[in-house]
Amino acid sequence: DTEVTQTPKHLVMGMTNKKSLKCEQHMGHRAMYWYKQKAKKPPELMFVYSYEKLSINESVPSRFSPECPNSSLLNLHLHALQPEDSALYLCASSQDNTEAFFGQGTRLTVV
Amino acid sequence: RKEVEQDPGPFNVPEGATVAFNCTYSNSASQSFFWYRQDCRKEPKLLMSVYSSGNEDGRFTAQLNRASQYISLLIRDSKLSDSATYLCVVLLWSARQLTFGSGTQLTVLP
Repeated sequence: DTEVTQTPKHLVMGMTNKKSLKCEQHMGHRAMYWYKQKAKKPPELMFVYSYEKLSINESVPSRFSPECPNSSLLNLHLHALQPEDSALYLCASSQDNTEAFFGQGTRLTVV
Repeated sequence: RKEVEQDPGPFNVPEGATVAFNCTYSNSASQSFFWYRQDCRKEPKLLMSVYSSGNEDGRFTAQLNRASQYISLLIRDSKLSDSATYLCVVLLWSARQLTFGSGTQLTVLP
């Protein structure tokens, strides 16, 4: 099983809403990532969790709050987002220093 | 200077053509290298890892030159289904940080 599952696939939220994106993998990978991708741009790293601890925060605004409840799950909590935060949010996981596997992404629209 | 640089293209080639993509990276401490493929509105998918000795998978050949900090991907006998964006990706082990190039768009024409 080389699958990373993300839910929901699509999300429309208002600027005052609170929502969460979810990511799950059962490959035993100990590194999990959140990326943001705008149209016609490459994925941009937001957060890295290594062994369930936040190891990288790429200066992401506090309206994005990651959480790693256990080694298989990764959440991204969203609050008071702006329209420019609309993007494809990709979760990925990897074993130590190997290739990363990506989920299908959540297409987020902030209205 | 960007950490990973790619020619953005677009590359428009006829079916059956051979096409080559290049990528350079700035951090000499980078330790693993990959080519990913991304179709429109889909997630990136691993195409192949890249090794110093070079590696081949069917019609695809990848090369790494550590001295020049340069990575290449060669696609032979292009198929319509090869149309996608090809992303060069570099991994720094200590940071577990994957850095993406800007991607090269390929369209294979009938």
